[in-house]
Amino acid sequence: GDSVTQMEGPVTLSEEAFLTINCTYTATGYPSLFWYVQYPGEGLQLLLKATKADDKGSNKGFEATYRKETTSFHLEKGSVQVSDSAVYFCALSDQFPTGNQFYFGTGTSLTVIP
Amino acid sequence: GAGVSQSPSNKVTEKGKDVELRCDPISGHTALYWYRQSLGQGLEFLIYFQGNSAPDKSGLPSDRFSAERTGGSVSTLTIQRTQQEDSAVYLCASSLAVGAGTGELFFGEGSRLTVL
Repeated sequence: GDSVTQMEGPVTLSEEAFLTINCTYTATGYPSLFWYVQYPGEGLQLLLKATKADDKGSNKGFEATYRKETTSFHLEKGSVQVSDSAVYFCALSDQFPTGNQFYFGTGTSLTVIP
Repeated sequence: GAGVSQSPSNKVTEKGKDVELRCDPISGHTALYWYRQSLGQGLEFLIYFQGNSAPDKSGLPSDRFSAERTGGSVSTLTIQRTQQEDSAVYLCASSLAVGAGTGELFFGEGSRLTVL
């Protein structure tokens, strides 16, 4: 069945450091891929998405490229800020085998220190 | 409303009591999902409603859990005879119908359940 595997956390970085959070997926159909973010005390919100192979999603300085050959959707940011401290979830949406099902990774907690 | 609304935001109950959690999705969204987020854990899928189709209940952890969606809009998640391991944040999300959009999920802020 479909699944998402993402890098274990927690991750602690200094401000302005480079961030990579790895995400790989398994899917039977042609999924859309997402990164959701959960800031402390808040609900999950969409950070970025990509709907087909080679698409690059980007938002707030974060980027992720849909790599079908490696079944990956790694999240990157060139220079993190304290305000990026949050839990990041990789997810896929697949219309197969039934309906519009979503699968989430276990989340990666990021703490950015000044 | 503009977003997914969940109530109550916090619920403290005694072991063995029943609880009901409510979700009001974004108007026009035909897909509705319930997830559970336990401390330090990821999102655990519970149940999924799509329009008038039979719901996908494959994620419900036991027969103490049930959910319904009336009129294709508001949904209620019911937990009977609550146990301490039911303590978690219960998240509701909605999205447009299959093929009608990018498939993005819109989440509510969750209902935090504490079972004493």
